[in-house]
Amino acid sequence: SQQGEEDPQALSIQEGENATMNCSYKTSINNLQWYRQNSGRGLVHLILIRSNEREKHSGRLRVTLDTSKKSSSLLITASRAADTASYFCATENTGNQFYFGTGTSLTVIP
Amino acid sequence: DSGVTQTPKHLITATGQRVTLRCSPRSGDLSVYWYQQSLDQGLQFLIQYYNGEERAKGNILERFSAQQFPDLHSELNLSSLELGDSALYFCASSVGQGLEAGELFFGEGSRLTVL
Repeated sequence: SQQGEEDPQALSIQEGENATMNCSYKTSINNLQWYRQNSGRGLVHLILIRSNEREKHSGRLRVTLDTSKKSSSLLITASRAADTASYFCATENTGNQFYFGTGTSLTVIP
Repeated sequence: DSGVTQTPKHLITATGQRVTLRCSPRSGDLSVYWYQQSLDQGLQFLIQYYNGEERAKGNILERFSAQQFPDLHSELNLSSLELGDSALYFCASSVGQGLEAGELFFGEGSRLTVL
């Protein structure tokens, strides 16, 4: 299976704290993307990092990519209750297929 | 609103039956992807189409089939349904293929319940 894995599976933090989630994958990639899913809804794209990039920022999001370790991390700073959702990493391979990780369920407590 | 439309939103049917899920991609997007998400599971890649042609198959059962029509909408057909087929089925679209297909835009999903 080309599916990746997120770690931790679940994370609970207080509002204002930072949340870090990690993703590991198995194959060569064109890019890695992070998506957010509110319960039972469709996924929404957050950020894309290309295979030749090491770090990328977008607002309160910071993504790192280590292709030698086949891993990525997503940091959400100054979390808010509205950040409560599941977060998935997805790798795009050279065939333009997207494989998703198992997801991290984030709960931000007000 | 992602611009991707999926119908029906909810579907309840019995084992052994056949259903068709429909997806209209975002205007201008040529690639369509189907994913299955079971309860508390990640997304399982089923199949990908680009401009009417099948590009890749993932973990799609032989009982399932799909196609993309000339107007770029896509249908996922699920037959001989089993209880384990109960899941959320997502369609996603992207601009195209090549070095990067771009980000995926997801529909709101079709929730299938097999009784």
